[in-house]
Amino acid sequence: DIQMTQSPSSLSASVGDRVTITCRASQRISNYLSWYQQKPGKAPKLLIYSASGLQSGVPSRFSGSGSGTDFTLTISSLQPEDFATYYCQQTNSSPLTFGGGTTVEIK
Amino acid sequence: EVQLVESGGGLVQPGGSLRLSCAASGFTFSDHYMGWVRQAPGKGLEWVGRIRNKVNSYITDYAASVKGRFTISRDDSQNSLYLQMNSLKTEDTAVYYCAREGSGWYYVYWGQGTLVTVSS
Repeated sequence: DIQMTQSPSSLSASVGDRVTITCRASQRISNYLSWYQQKPGKAPKLLIYSASGLQSGVPSRFSGSGSGTDFTLTISSLQPEDFATYYCQQTNSSPLTFGGGTTVEIK
Repeated sequence: EVQLVESGGGLVQPGGSLRLSCAASGFTFSDHYMGWVRQAPGKGLEWVGRIRNKVNSYITDYAASVKGRFTISRDDSQNSLYLQMNSLKTEDTAVYYCAREGSGWYYVYWGQGTLVTVSS
């Protein structure tokens, strides 16, 4: 099975900050990587697919990059509604494993 | 509008069984792979498994943690997805989400989740 490791597990940031979250796969997965945002008590929301594809309706301040084993999610200017937990997921092969999550908190 | 509505959650004793349902609407259900994802209280997301469509022979895949205990099925005539859970353990306590896969196996649409509590 492919293991997905996210870092950091949590971070504190201020509105307007640039935030970067990293996801590393235990083996090469090409660009089969998705990012989700989850707020408390809610279902996850797809932000990025295929490593860098912006899902329809998602603000352009979110971007994804990477290929192979190393990936990043960047929020260019953090907004109040972006405080949430973010997960990566590899979609290269079953089981479709998730990373452990990164919680973005208000500084 | 795509809608996924889970039902069937509740309290069950260890060793017991439970069947979750997911009613789909707003899209051609039979065309899509469907999956289940769970989230234990205060924990991260865990992929449970998925079922392919008829064209791909309804093949199922499961996480190692549930393989042999959980069974995913679907009824395309009823636009419904199911998760049969047997031999439940306390560690199966979680909110269970059904989700529709996109072309790249990522999940664009999610249900609201249903809580399963395994406790004596």
